[in-house]
Amino acid sequence: QKEVEQNSGPLSVPEGAIASLNCTYSDRGSQSFFWYRQYSGKSPELIMFIYSNGDKEDGRFTAQLNKASQYVSLLIRDSQPSDSATYLCAVNEGQTGANNLFFGTGTRLTVIP
Amino acid sequence: NAGVMQNPRHLVRRRGQEARLRCSPMKGHSHVYWYRQLPEEGLKFMVYLQKENIIDESGMPKERFSAEFPKEGPSILRIQQVVRGDSAAYFCASSRSPFDGYTFGSGTRLTVV
Repeated sequence: QKEVEQNSGPLSVPEGAIASLNCTYSDRGSQSFFWYRQYSGKSPELIMFIYSNGDKEDGRFTAQLNKASQYVSLLIRDSQPSDSATYLCAVNEGQTGANNLFFGTGTRLTVIP
Repeated sequence: NAGVMQNPRHLVRRRGQEARLRCSPMKGHSHVYWYRQLPEEGLKFMVYLQKENIIDESGMPKERFSAEFPKEGPSILRIQQVVRGDSAAYFCASSRSPFDGYTFGSGTRLTVV
C-alpha cells in the first residue's frame, strides 16, 4: 500500500494554542488530500480537503499542501478541549486511477484546559 | 438524509463461522469503500466498489474475504471461516465521485471468539 506517514503523538497543546499536525506521502501522483478527525470509538469525519499547493482556511482550521515536498499539514488555531481526537491524513491513490484513499496511522491530539 | 448505514454495529462470531457485514451508502453515492481498523492503528484500505463492479481490491486478503455491491441492495463484505486475527472494526465509506472526500459509516466491530 502507498505510504502516508504521520507522527503518532500524542501531541499535547494548551487550550487556545495552535496545534500543528504533519503528514508526508510517498505517491507523487496523488492529487487529493484530506484530513479526518476520529474520536475514540467513533468513525472518522471529514474536516478539510485540499487539492492545490498553498493554504486553505476553514474557520479555525488551515490545511497546507506542498506537492514538491510531498507534505501536507493541518493547523488548528485557538485549540479547544473538544478538538482532542486522533487526526488522520488521507491521500488518494494517484497512479492506477482508482483514486481510493490511503490513510496514515493518525496523530493523537490532546488539548489541555 | 441518512448517512452511510452499516449493520450490524457489533458482531460476534466463533472461529470458523462466516461474518457478513452490510453497508448502505449515502443517497446519491455510488462509490463504496471498505476499510479495516485494528486498535490503535490506522485505517487499512481493503476494497473499492462501484455498482456491480470491483474497482480496486488490492487491500483485500486473497483468501476468505470477498465483497460485492449489487445493483439493488447494500454492499456486503463477507469473511468466511473467521479467525481471531479478523477481529477489528470494519468501516464502510461512500462518495459521490472518487475525487470527493468520503463519508464513513459507524462501523461494524467484529469479535471472533
